[in-house]
Amino acid sequence: DTGVSQNPRHKITKRGQNVTFRCDPISEHNRLYWYRQTLGQGPEFLTYFQNEAQLEKSRLLSDRFSAERPKGSFSTLEIQRTEQGDSAMYLCASNPGSGAYNEQFFGPGTRLTVL
Amino acid sequence: GDSVTQMEGPVTLSEEAFLTINCTYTATGYPSLFWYVQYPGEGLQLLLKATKADDKGSNKGFEATYRKETTSFHLEKGSVQVSDSAVYFCALPNSGGSNYKLTFGKGTLLTVNP
Repeated sequence: DTGVSQNPRHKITKRGQNVTFRCDPISEHNRLYWYRQTLGQGPEFLTYFQNEAQLEKSRLLSDRFSAERPKGSFSTLEIQRTEQGDSAMYLCASNPGSGAYNEQFFGPGTRLTVL
Repeated sequence: GDSVTQMEGPVTLSEEAFLTINCTYTATGYPSLFWYVQYPGEGLQLLLKATKADDKGSNKGFEATYRKETTSFHLEKGSVQVSDSAVYFCALPNSGGSNYKLTFGKGTLLTVNP
């Protein structure tokens, strides 16, 4: 399967703990996006990478959140000192870039539950 | 900023019924427009798209026409099936800069009963 993969698929943690999620985009896709989706809402943009450079961060991405894409391939999203409000589905997407008509290919998401 | 407004759900239909899910948008210029679908337990996948005004996107019996006069991109299907049960999202890419992040509507849950 050469689609976007995300791990883990589910994560349950206690408030105050740190969590890290991984996204493996489609190979050779140089653009990678993270979104957050809460119940009953559409996905909301968190951050964007072009190759290894993080080029934009949403105001939703508080200083407890950090994302990396060290070699321009897989990416990690870390949440420190988790809060119950962080409970959501975290989606990763990639595309080969250039052009607003290029679809983004989404992974299955990581569902985070903070107790 | 850019925004997408979708018809509130949930929508419940019987098999073979006609489906319309309304979507209107606010954006600078004339962005591409997308419909994504999320089946239970799966990630979002592109259903169809239109890249310019008056374009009609179509896939799997679904259609949507890009209407710049009414800033709309309504999704239609003439005869729905149980397998069409899913959440449908209208989306457009950011019209400023080059990152093309997507702005989504809230989603419309469709349930089709046999």
